[in-house]
Amino acid sequence: KAGVTQTPRYLIKTRGQQVTLSCSPISGHRSVSWYQQTPGQGLQFLFEYFSETQRNKGNFPGRFSGRQFSNSRSEMNVSTLELGDSALYLCASSGRGDGYTFGSGTRLTVV
Amino acid sequence: GENVEQHPSTLSVQEGDSAVIKCTYSDSASNYFPWYKQELGKRPQLIIDIRSNVGEKKDQRIAVTLNKTAKHFSLHITETQPEDSAVYFCAAPMDTGRRALTFGSGTRLQVQP
Repeated sequence: KAGVTQTPRYLIKTRGQQVTLSCSPISGHRSVSWYQQTPGQGLQFLFEYFSETQRNKGNFPGRFSGRQFSNSRSEMNVSTLELGDSALYLCASSGRGDGYTFGSGTRLTVV
Repeated sequence: GENVEQHPSTLSVQEGDSAVIKCTYSDSASNYFPWYKQELGKRPQLIIDIRSNVGEKKDQRIAVTLNKTAKHFSLHITETQPEDSAVYFCAAPMDTGRRALTFGSGTRLQVQP
């Protein structure tokens, strides 16, 4: 079956702009989580969605938001970008009894 | 919520030796403990996981042990090979009954040929 698909793979944005990242989970997976990965901070949890509902949110400012659609696809949005938002953003999906499967990520560079 | 600590942060072994990475967790109700391997420039991939109803699980050269009393679990890699070089992350559920995971800080394993 197809894996977790994240688009785009790379993004370069300017400070102050906003960005939307997309994640299509494995077919049948209803749980989607987002993580920010930076060299010094490891994998930091952003949010978890299940059946269009946000079930958990990490310690990130309100500039970070997300949503999940009825087909389980998820988007995350970052507004008013800062240099420190440069990171690899990973999406992971999970189904009943399955562990997490990660997408390849979106590498965001803020200049 | 769960807190996961992972040690060591870096580990260098000679090819053929064993490697052990340890993690501790805080929530005694946690019941699922996966390990992920992330090679340079690639996504984290699940390599093995264990549930709280068993104490050990093996898959070829990889094994995971769980000590619920002490609240720690370990990854064991035997007969290491250069392709085992990667960053390894342990994880546990963020909250009881939730799928979202909290990850350890990672261990960079270097296998010297």
